[in-house]
Formats: sequence, C-alpha cells, structure tokens
Amino acid sequence: KQEVTQIPAALSVPEGENLVLNCSFTDSAIYNLQWFRQDPGKGLTSLLLIQSSQREQTSGRLNASLDKSSGRSTLYIAASQPGDSATYLCAVPASGGYNKLIFGAGTRLAVHP
Amino acid sequence: DAGVTQSPTHLIKTRGQHVTLRCSPISGHKSVSWYQQVLGQGPQFIFQYYEKEERGRGNFPDRFSARQFPNYSSELNVNALLLGDSALYLCASSLEGGSNQPQHFGDGTRLSIL
Repeated sequence: KQEVTQIPAALSVPEGENLVLNCSFTDSAIYNLQWFRQDPGKGLTSLLLIQSSQREQTSGRLNASLDKSSGRSTLYIAASQPGDSATYLCAVPASGGYNKLIFGAGTRLAVHP
Repeated sequence: DAGVTQSPTHLIKTRGQHVTLRCSPISGHKSVSWYQQVLGQGPQFIFQYYEKEERGRGNFPDRFSARQFPNYSSELNVNALLLGDSALYLCASSLEGGSNQPQHFGDGTRLSIL
C-alpha cells in the first residue's frame, strides 16, 4: 500500500532563504509525482509534475527532483518570498489503473519579511 | 479557459441532513475525481468517474455517492451527515481516466456540519 510522507510538517524562514521540502513514498512503481500549493481554505494549484522517466523539473524559482529508486522527491524554492507562504503537498498516483492520487499531509511554509 | 469550478463555495448543514456538491470539469476533460480534506491533512480520495461510470472508490461509507452527467459534470451526494463530514471537498478533472493523467483541482466546497 502506497504511503506518502512529507518532512518537515512546518517551516518558518526569513525572506530570501533557499529552502528544501521533502517527500518520500513507499512504492517506487509510480507514473509521476506532482507538487501542489494550497493557500488557506483554497483548492490545490499544481506547481510541477515530474514523469517517472525524468529526474527533475523547473519552473521559475521552483525545482523539483525525483529519485524513484530511493522513493524520494524534493522541492527546492530559491530566494523565498512572503508570497510563497502556503502549504505544499506532494502526491503520487495509486496503482490500480484509475486516477487516484495519494497525498502527503503537507509542509506548512511561512516566509516572514 | 475556465478551470474546474465547484459550487457552492461554502455550506452549513446540521447532523442527519443531506447535501449535494457540484463540479464542472475543464472543457474537454472526461474524468472527475472527488477528494475530502479535513483540517491539517492531505486530501483523501473518495471517487473517480470516467465516461459517466465509477472507476474507483476510496474507503468511504455508502452514505457517499456520486454521479457524472453526459456533459461530464459531476455531483457528490452525502446522506445522513455526521459531524466528522465537516471538511473541504475538492473536485479534480483530467483529460482521460488513467493513473498517468495529471489532475487539475477546483477551489473546493467548505462543508460545515453543526
């Protein structure tokens, strides 16, 4: 049974710091891995999707890496800004052929000026 | 182009009542999935519907049901509401129904049970 864990659960950093969020999963047979952002009380915004054949994806100040063999992904945020404050969730598709995502509990990020 | 839209945004109900939540997928998307997110946790899968048929179901009681219409929009129904059903209900759509399809989420419906 696939399980997804995110560390740390919460993070508070001053503006300008580079930071790394971690995601681990127990079953390495995944098609892809998605990173989402969630603002308080809002839905999920997809940030990056890494296919199983890829090692990393970049979008602006965000870079996500994937190591299937070790069951790990990291989301790197460069030069953090207060506007980056949100909860970051990673998710992988479950096996079974249908479109079910298994999520971690998220990392709650606060970037203070 | 419009993203995934959900209605209503907020809803307050009392225990024992019934509720219907609605979702319109991105134009051209044939698959709709529903998730429940309680405070402090990641979303939990409830259902997937693809081409108007149920493709998968999570570990939720029979009080939860859903359907998908010919235009691919979907409804989630919950009967005999319990306090523990208070949560953010998220709808996601994807182009096709397979597990390699990226999902696009709506803003959710916040359901509060009194």
